[in-house]
Amino acid sequence: DAKTTQPTSMDCAEGRAANLPCNHSTISGNEYVYWYRQIHSQGPQYIIHGLKNNETNEMASLIITEDRKSSTLILPHATLRDTAVYYCIVRPDEGENRDDKIIFGKGTRLHILP
Amino acid sequence: DSGVTQTPKHLITATGQRVTLRCSPRSGDLSVYWYQQSLDQGLQFLIQYYNGEERAKGNILERFSAQQFPDLHSELNLSSLELGDSALYFCASSPNPGGTEAFFGQGTRLTVV
Repeated sequence: DAKTTQPTSMDCAEGRAANLPCNHSTISGNEYVYWYRQIHSQGPQYIIHGLKNNETNEMASLIITEDRKSSTLILPHATLRDTAVYYCIVRPDEGENRDDKIIFGKGTRLHILP
Repeated sequence: DSGVTQTPKHLITATGQRVTLRCSPRSGDLSVYWYQQSLDQGLQFLIQYYNGEERAKGNILERFSAQQFPDLHSELNLSSLELGDSALYFCASSPNPGGTEAFFGQGTRLTVV
């Protein structure tokens, strides 16, 4: 089962920042938070991941709370092409003996409104 | 382009038949994952291979099997197909078993009639 909880859907106006929350209250110390998105019927696309520090790349920013029990993905200037299902996933760090299958929950369906 | 190639892109077959889906991972990636996504359903993890060996198993049916070959490409075999097996099948690859991002192919759409 997925170890994360996300809202089912969200709307955001085009050009605004989209803030997608995720709860992962049972996260372990060696588990990373990953975000993926899936645009309709396409393969999921990796966005960003982090352990405890905030991360930023060309696509998004990831804010992880100090207790690591929740995080927020921020798309700074949402466009219509950002309409997708966004998945928050926890995965253990690299290790030969760890079960690291990537389990997707139901995700958040983000609608960018023109 | 993620660098993961899946063939064929579309497949239509009859109930009771057997099909093979193929996945070529990104160059250098040792780990391959297979997922099933039925219409309006979530991504269901099926199975993972790492450097030729099975590493993790999800809710994969006994009618389904997979393998990873020495050249690291992987095949997912689906047999005794049923209408309910109609779905998108995705393959993903990553360099290592864990701790790194996985990159997904564009999927194979299987339709069982």
